[in-house]
Amino acid sequence: AQKITQTQPGMFVQEKEAVTLDCTYDTSDQSYGLFWYKQPSSGEMIFLIYQGSYDEQNATEGRYSLNFQKARKSANLVISASQLGDSAMYFCAMRSGAYKYIFGTGTRLKVLA
Amino acid sequence: DTGVSQNPRHKITKRGQNVTFRCDPISEHNRLYWYRQTLGQGPEFLTYFQNEAQLEKSRLLSDRFSAERPKGSFSTLEIQRTEQGDSAMYLCASSLGTGASGGLGKNIQYFGAGTRLSVL
Repeated sequence: AQKITQTQPGMFVQEKEAVTLDCTYDTSDQSYGLFWYKQPSSGEMIFLIYQGSYDEQNATEGRYSLNFQKARKSANLVISASQLGDSAMYFCAMRSGAYKYIFGTGTRLKVLA
Repeated sequence: DTGVSQNPRHKITKRGQNVTFRCDPISEHNRLYWYRQTLGQGPEFLTYFQNEAQLEKSRLLSDRFSAERPKGSFSTLEIQRTEQGDSAMYLCASSLGTGASGGLGKNIQYFGAGTRLSVL
């Protein structure tokens, strides 16, 4: 069965520090995609970063980077230089098949001033 | 590009009533998805449209739920005879894909702000 596991219900980080949010996944597919979304209190899911299973390099998007370790089936999100506006829920997701996403239970990040 | 738009943002209804939600996807996106998110959980897939064709429905989508995308543009999700267990956030997403099932690519789904349903 395909599954996403996020083991950190909540995380705190000091402003300007880096933080790592953990994500492990389980799939028997050879080709799959991994995604991270941010969900502020307003409710909208905001796309942050994508990693394809065949991508050899870790994805980066501005202050976001994805630490992809295929053998360990992990796809951790690293946020550098945290800002107060980064406080939100963060969801890891995997594309199952051609289009369906499977989401984890999320990590609530709080950035402290 | 105005993003994915969902209306209404909030809906409060009494048990047994019918409700309908609307989703307007990003204009050039041919794929549209509905998800349900309950408190403390990630979104769960409900259904998927490729243009106007509904290609998959989750087992979560009981007979009381129906979704349409009549002209391959906006979509509606209707819940008949609402129950308290239907209280949740209903999220719509859209993406640009090619072919009926292929084009794995990135297929990045862009989400709307959701409709929060409360059934009293």
